[in-house]
Amino acid sequence: GQQLNQSPQSMFIQEGEDVSMNCTSSSIFNTWLWYKQDPGEGPVLLIALYKAGELTSNGRLTAQFGITRKDSFLNISASIPSDVGIYFCAGPMMNRDDKIIFGKGTRLHILP
Amino acid sequence: GAVVSQHPSWVICKSGTSVKIECRSLDFQATTMFWYRQFPKQSLMLMATSNEGSKATYEQGVEKDKFLINHASLTLSTLTVTSAHPEDSSFYICSARTWTKLSYNEQFFGPGTRLTVL
Repeated sequence: GQQLNQSPQSMFIQEGEDVSMNCTSSSIFNTWLWYKQDPGEGPVLLIALYKAGELTSNGRLTAQFGITRKDSFLNISASIPSDVGIYFCAGPMMNRDDKIIFGKGTRLHILP
Repeated sequence: GAVVSQHPSWVICKSGTSVKIECRSLDFQATTMFWYRQFPKQSLMLMATSNEGSKATYEQGVEKDKFLINHASLTLSTLTVTSAHPEDSSFYICSARTWTKLSYNEQFFGPGTRLTVL
């Protein structure tokens, strides 16, 4: 079945650093979604991408829909303490657009 | 806008008892609601899809008699974990989909319910 592979699994960075994480799949996705989940909370949509090659920003966040439709990346610039959390890439299944598949997440830690 | 609430936010129960979790869309009507389960340090796994006024569709491997879902109105869906056992302890998250947004795929997630079965 369709799967999403996220890397890295976790990151330890200093405040102020830029962050880059990506998501790949062996199959095509028509939509890429990036969510952030804080501890004990539900995920919140950060950026949605609908077109191959699309580059979209949301404040300090930038995400791109890969041209092959099999990958996407999320960048965070000038990280701040509230960026700590788990970042999930996700996408609806090709033959079932009501079902969203999630990657395993990238856990972002910011060192004091 | 597009706020989804869940109640309770956490619950502890004894093994063998049943627990009901509510999911409400507060400022929009949701024709479809989804229930996910998330184990510690794991990703979200879809359990079932619930359409208002009809039976829920369960994912493979999810017992429909154990996880009863009711979607009686456009703003409320409930998940009842029947005869709960310690292995049912997990973080249960609902989401709701609205058709008023540009992207019909957009699901709005609730804050989750932490279930601990002793």
